[in-house]
Amino acid sequence: GAVVSQHPSRVICKSGTSVKIECRSLDFQATTMFWYRQFPKKSLMLMATSNEGSKATYEQGVEKDKFLINHASLTLSTLTVTSAHPEDSSFYICSARSGGLYNQETQYFGPGTRLLVL
Amino acid sequence: KQEVTQIPAALSVPEGENLVLNCSFTDSAIYNLQWFRQDPGKGLTSLLLIQSSQREQTSGRLNASLDKSSGRSTLYIAASQPGDSATYLCAAPAGETSGSRLTFGEGTQLTVNP
Repeated sequence: GAVVSQHPSRVICKSGTSVKIECRSLDFQATTMFWYRQFPKKSLMLMATSNEGSKATYEQGVEKDKFLINHASLTLSTLTVTSAHPEDSSFYICSARSGGLYNQETQYFGPGTRLLVL
Repeated sequence: KQEVTQIPAALSVPEGENLVLNCSFTDSAIYNLQWFRQDPGKGLTSLLLIQSSQREQTSGRLNASLDKSSGRSTLYIAASQPGDSATYLCAAPAGETSGSRLTFGEGTQLTVNP
């Protein structure tokens, strides 16, 4: 199956700094990428959907200025957590899919990035 | 708005037992449903994808069924093994016209005891 990687796998940062997380599709072109957030013992919550070359669509309640998403190429999307605070500590997972927004192909998930803000 | 519920939240069984995990969804206008496995601190592994035209899918010891009319799906695990211990997540699209934005259930944490 298709492979999606994330970097870094873990990051610890001080409060107030910005952190960038990369999501890459290794063997296919990802027209659409999704960013999820997962709290301990909880399910995944969709944060935003990004299509290559256009602005991301954010879910209700997700601050677009706080969580900057860039999908500049068909194999790379980045999530930048700006001015991170302890409440931003979470597990961030991306997924990628080829095809357009209404394409019904499956999503392939990355291994996740654990963010801890001190 | 799609809502996905999974029952039970946690399940502990002895090795070798057959078991069923349940998933229900509120918006039945979906074109597929997926089951995932998540090991602690890890990402998701896709187990089975059932298209809306199918009633079930099988992969090895796993069998997933889908009943759109009742808004339910089940994941059947035969002859469970300690290696099956993980959290199992069910995910449904957020409606038929919403692309493939997935709504996840909160998962069933399975422990298979040797």
